[in-house]
Amino acid sequence: KAGVTQTPRYLIKTRGQQVTLSCSPISGHRSVSWYQQTPGQGLQFLFEYFSETQRNKGNFPGRFSGRQFSNSRSEMNVSTLELGDSALYLCASSVAGVSTGELFFGEGSRLTVL
Amino acid sequence: GENVEQHPSTLSVQEGDSAVIKCTYSDSASNYFPWYKQELGKRPQLIIDIRSNVGEKKDQRIAVTLNKTAKHFSLHITETQPEDSAVYFCAAILNTGNQFYFGTGTSLTVIP
Repeated sequence: KAGVTQTPRYLIKTRGQQVTLSCSPISGHRSVSWYQQTPGQGLQFLFEYFSETQRNKGNFPGRFSGRQFSNSRSEMNVSTLELGDSALYLCASSVAGVSTGELFFGEGSRLTVL
Repeated sequence: GENVEQHPSTLSVQEGDSAVIKCTYSDSASNYFPWYKQELGKRPQLIIDIRSNVGEKKDQRIAVTLNKTAKHFSLHITETQPEDSAVYFCAAILNTGNQFYFGTGTSLTVIP
């Protein structure tokens, strides 16, 4: 069974631009959640999607948004990029949600904002 | 919201010794507490989890204990091996929603 796939793996943007990251979950998993990982803040929950609906959102500004498609693939968008958005963005999939059991993480998309 | 504190931030042990990592949480509504291990340059992976109706859970050399009254839970690794070297994250999930709160991580180094 294929694991969680994230694209692109690396990207460089400049301040003010926007970026879209993609996450393909494990087949059969309906939940996709997103996390920001930085050396200073550790792992922080962004949001979770389940069956195309956002179930919950972490404490991030509205510049961070996402969506989920009918095939469970998810995208995360960050608009008006700031230097502090430089981070590793991880997505994770699970069968039924973050509170129900194991999360399977992708390898992440490393975003550098210049 | 929830606040998860994790200690220590770094931990070095000799191979064969035990390692203990502690986390505290603030919201009594938290009911699911997983632990993830992240090796350098790799993705986090679940190593053990515990729910609030259980006080202790073991899986070979790894155990987790939960004290709901004191709102803290701990990861215990016995007979440590060099391959246990990694960053360990605790987490707490509220039963009122699906927010996922991670601790700040513990970098464990096992010295051969």
